[in-house]
Amino acid sequence: NAGVTQTPKFQVLKTGQSMTLQCAQDMNHEYMSWYRQDPGMGLRLIHYSVGAGITDQGEVPNGYNVSRSTTEDFPLRLLSAAPSQTSVYFCASSKISMSRTDTQYFGPGTRLTVL
Amino acid sequence: GDSVTQMEGPVTLSEEAFLTINCTYTATGYPSLFWYVQYPGEGLQLLLKATKADDKGSNKGFEATYRKETTSFHLEKGSVQVSDSAVYFCALSGSARQLTFGSGTQLTVLP
Repeated sequence: NAGVTQTPKFQVLKTGQSMTLQCAQDMNHEYMSWYRQDPGMGLRLIHYSVGAGITDQGEVPNGYNVSRSTTEDFPLRLLSAAPSQTSVYFCASSKISMSRTDTQYFGPGTRLTVL
Repeated sequence: GDSVTQMEGPVTLSEEAFLTINCTYTATGYPSLFWYVQYPGEGLQLLLKATKADDKGSNKGFEATYRKETTSFHLEKGSVQVSDSAVYFCALSGSARQLTFGSGTQLTVLP
């Protein structure tokens, strides 16, 4: 199993450009999520999905769109990049069980710089 | 809402020293608690977890005990190694099943 994969690893954008960060998992996990990591702030949830066709907002959703057409893929779209979106982005996935003990598996991250 | 507060870093220790990284939380109900570790240039990996009060999670010599009375989940290791140098994140999973992270603690272990 490849686990959770993310592309690209690095990206530089100009203000106003759009792009899509790709995320895929091969563990048949129902739950997928996107986080951004900023210095001194830990990880903050952007969007998440509990299955194909179902998405919801996290703590910091503004400026980002997501869709979930398949169980495996969960792309994150930046509609009009802003310097405030300079960050490291992590995708994660997990099973969904009745408890709250499910381990989330993280991808290697995408480092995005917006000029 | 849910929140996690963890010890400010960075922390620098000599090899074989004792490590404690403090973590306290605020949550309604009975959250599950986690420690994740991030090695340089990598994503986060689960280090250990505990799902109910008085549970002790352990892995690779690290331990943390779920203390409901003090709302804490402090990470400890008796003898750190250079290879333990990383960023450590405390996190909780509450009623919404979403992970809430602390700000992270950078640990550097010197030989």
